[in-house]
Amino acid sequence: DQQVKQNSPSLSVQEGRISILNCDYTNSMFDYFLWYKKYPAEGPTFLISISSIKDKNEDGRFTVFLNKSAKHLSLHIVPSQPGDSAVYFCAASRNTGNQFYFGTGTSLTVIP
Amino acid sequence: EPEVTQTPSHQVTQMGQEVILRCVPISNHLYFYWYRQILGQKVEFLVSFYNNEISEKSEIFDDQFSVERPDGSNFTLKIRSTKLEDSAMYFCASSTDRGETQYFGPGTRLLVL
Repeated sequence: DQQVKQNSPSLSVQEGRISILNCDYTNSMFDYFLWYKKYPAEGPTFLISISSIKDKNEDGRFTVFLNKSAKHLSLHIVPSQPGDSAVYFCAASRNTGNQFYFGTGTSLTVIP
Repeated sequence: EPEVTQTPSHQVTQMGQEVILRCVPISNHLYFYWYRQILGQKVEFLVSFYNNEISEKSEIFDDQFSVERPDGSNFTLKIRSTKLEDSAMYFCASSTDRGETQYFGPGTRLLVL
């Protein structure tokens, strides 16, 4: 049961341009969402989060947008840098539970 | 900056053997988790642990698996009678509270032969 979906397995962007990574979810009970970044052979690293009471959260070059009616969130990275090249996972949770449900990840490549 | 640590980084075992994966969560965190990622697949939740007991577990976490906090710092995942399909990266995570951001360790790569 894929409750969190990332439909784009990969994305390539030129350095300096905007990267937009998308994530859809099916469970309307989800109220907390995170983006993790993962390099090969490392654990997921927390990047940015958003709760369902907000529709936008910004941290430096990273902005997460949440559209609850569409059950969609996106991560914008601007400007993209080669060091941003990694796999990005979105994850969601319900406040009544402990577990995060992960998407399958999008591999971002930023081309110098 | 505090971080979650895991040992060993790699573990190779024979099918049917028992393995124990170890984690040291961030010191002031109260909730602990195990996730796994089979190669090429998504990260999957296994179990969460709070106040010395399991608070939530997934269908994957059957009688083959157990978790323990043997002392004030370690959090372990025991896999009994390992199977080939247990081969995966196992990630430990911790958080300050339920529903809060979970911080992940670097993972243990388990290979069952």
